[in-house]
Amino acid sequence: DVQMTQSPYNLAASPGESVSINCKASKSISKYLAWYQQKPGKANKLLIYDGSTLQSGIPSRFSGSGSGTDFTLTIRSLEPEDFGLYYCQQHNEYPFTFGSGTKLEIK
Amino acid sequence: EIQLQESGPGLVKPSQSLSLTCSVTGYIITSGYDWSWIRKFPGNKMEWMGYISNSGSTNYNPSLKIRISITRDTSKNQFFLQLNSVTTEDTATYYCARIGYGYNFDYWGLGVMVTVSS
Repeated sequence: DVQMTQSPYNLAASPGESVSINCKASKSISKYLAWYQQKPGKANKLLIYDGSTLQSGIPSRFSGSGSGTDFTLTIRSLEPEDFGLYYCQQHNEYPFTFGSGTKLEIK
Repeated sequence: EIQLQESGPGLVKPSQSLSLTCSVTGYIITSGYDWSWIRKFPGNKMEWMGYISNSGSTNYNPSLKIRISITRDTSKNQFFLQLNSVTTEDTATYYCARIGYGYNFDYWGLGVMVTVSS
């Protein structure tokens, strides 16, 4: 299975700041990485797929980059609603696998 | 609007079977796309469990292959998860999701928490 190493585990930032979350695959997954946001009481939200493609309806302050084994999710100008748990997931091969999650908290 | 909703018992005894239902509204599950189960363990680890395709074929995570079954009832627009011989390590929040273009998960249910305990 492809192991996904996500960092940092926790992240604290203030509204208006920019943050980055990293995801490293144990082998090349080409461009096939997705990012999700998870918040209590809400359905998980697909933010980015294919490494850098913004899902419909997602604000442009979210962006993804990377290919091969190293990927980054960047959130510019944090809004209060952006705080929550973020996961990466490789969708290059079965079984699909997820990173361990990053908790983005308000500083 | 596509919506998915999980339902099922919140408590299952060890060695028994866990059975969950995902009810889909806003999209016919035989129209296209594949339909998946994913779980999140205490401590936040996420695991893809398997899917049933719009044609009814299945694909399971090898780590679960001997214990898992995903089926569907097209008349009710539902699909199901059965996980046999559960242990306390199967305690998790279980999600159903649609596999969108490119094999990511574009629609999710809210999840249902299942505890395995005697």
